Amino acid sequence: DTAVSQTPKYLVTQMGNDKSIKCEQNLGHDTMYWYKQDSKKFLKIMFSYNNKELIINETVPNRFSPKSPDKAHLNLHINSLELGDSAVYFCASSPSGNLRSETQYFGPGTRLLVL
Amino acid sequence: GESVGLHLPTLSVQEGDNSIINCAYSNSASDYFIWYKQESGKGPQFIIDIRSNMDKRQGQRVTVLLNKTVKHLSLQIAATQPGDSAVYFCAEINTGGFKTIFGAGTRLFVKA
Repeated sequence: DTAVSQTPKYLVTQMGNDKSIKCEQNLGHDTMYWYKQDSKKFLKIMFSYNNKELIINETVPNRFSPKSPDKAHLNLHINSLELGDSAVYFCASSPSGNLRSETQYFGPGTRLLVL
Repeated sequence: GESVGLHLPTLSVQEGDNSIINCAYSNSASDYFIWYKQESGKGPQFIIDIRSNMDKRQGQRVTVLLNKTVKHLSLQIAATQPGDSAVYFCAEINTGGFKTIFGAGTRLFVKA
């Protein structure tokens, strides 16, 4: 009965490959997010979607493409992986996206290592 | 630019002692702040929040203090337990209310 789940938990791949990370939430929330956490634990927003519509698109390379097939899923596809993409990627969700009045719920993270 | 928090420092406390974790923010217009706890191998988890019309807010064993004059937040944990060992992040919500800006975090070690 995990609220926000991500697959895979670990991903080790070679530079130049293309990979996808999946996220699903069973909370009935309208808004989902992708964050990147680097090796120094710094956590930064990458994207957010509200009911399948892109809301936030931070300065992220075009190699990163989020896709939301429905409001319970937000996947992250990464093309031509680079060494600097190695990080932990967290998915999160919140009821409506108004973060002044609601809590975000985070998934367990996907640990990506690019060799 | 946006900046909340400091480079990742580490705080080591004895079990049973009180812990104080500090955070500085740079945007004087920020009016809503949150503390998150991230245990090893897990995602961040909401602990407590505070709005700028308050100086202090208390939860169960945790208290957040806000000093708007010097743009400083602190999280106090009473009677720290081994289960409190984690990285703690302060965060602010941007003016539009749709984005969380995280600080760099503080690692808390609790010695038994």
